[in-house]
Amino acid sequence: DGGITQSPKYLFRKEGQNVTLSCEQNLNHDAMYWYRQDPGQGLRLIYYSQIVNDFQKGDIAEGYSVSREKKESFPLTVTSAQKNPTAFYLCASRSRDRGSNQPQHFGDGTRLSIL
Amino acid sequence: GDSVTQMEGPVTLSEEAFLTINCTYTATGYPSLFWYVQYPGEGLQLLLKATKADDKGSNKGFEATYRKETTSFHLEKGSVQVSDSAVYFCALSFAGNQFYFGTGTSLTVIP
Repeated sequence: DGGITQSPKYLFRKEGQNVTLSCEQNLNHDAMYWYRQDPGQGLRLIYYSQIVNDFQKGDIAEGYSVSREKKESFPLTVTSAQKNPTAFYLCASRSRDRGSNQPQHFGDGTRLSIL
Repeated sequence: GDSVTQMEGPVTLSEEAFLTINCTYTATGYPSLFWYVQYPGEGLQLLLKATKADDKGSNKGFEATYRKETTSFHLEKGSVQVSDSAVYFCALSFAGNQFYFGTGTSLTVIP
């Protein structure tokens, strides 16, 4: 079945450490997104990518970095510069066919906590 | 700018009650509109969508109608079940890639 796979499901970060969250999709979607979700809150866009080797900052990109070397993969690195990384991270993808009519498809998320 | 506003939660209903979750939007054009559902510890799942004015999206007993005159896309269900307990997000999108999500409305259905 086609879908989006995020790993790991749970991740712990030590002070001063960078950690990388994986997001892989086999939906052949061009666009991919990373969101942060804090308890009881909505989604905030971190980064997005419309094509391979290109990505743009979202609303809260500081302390995060991404790469898009393959269409299927869009890993997110939470750097030590992100002082409050504890949150639920969601990856999404979207087909760019037929303009705005296509929904975003989401993975099951990675929950990141500070040790 | 473009945005989505959802009714504040949490919402608590008894099983078989009628559900309405209000969603209004602000947009300079004619976006597509979506409702997503998020169960605890999971990602968002598409519940239904509508792509133009007067379209009605429906799925699993949930419905929402795209009302251009009132810029609304309210989610309704005639008889909720305990299994409908989740967080519901309204969203809009234009051509291109920008998606705008509401802040989510938490629903708890009690037996």
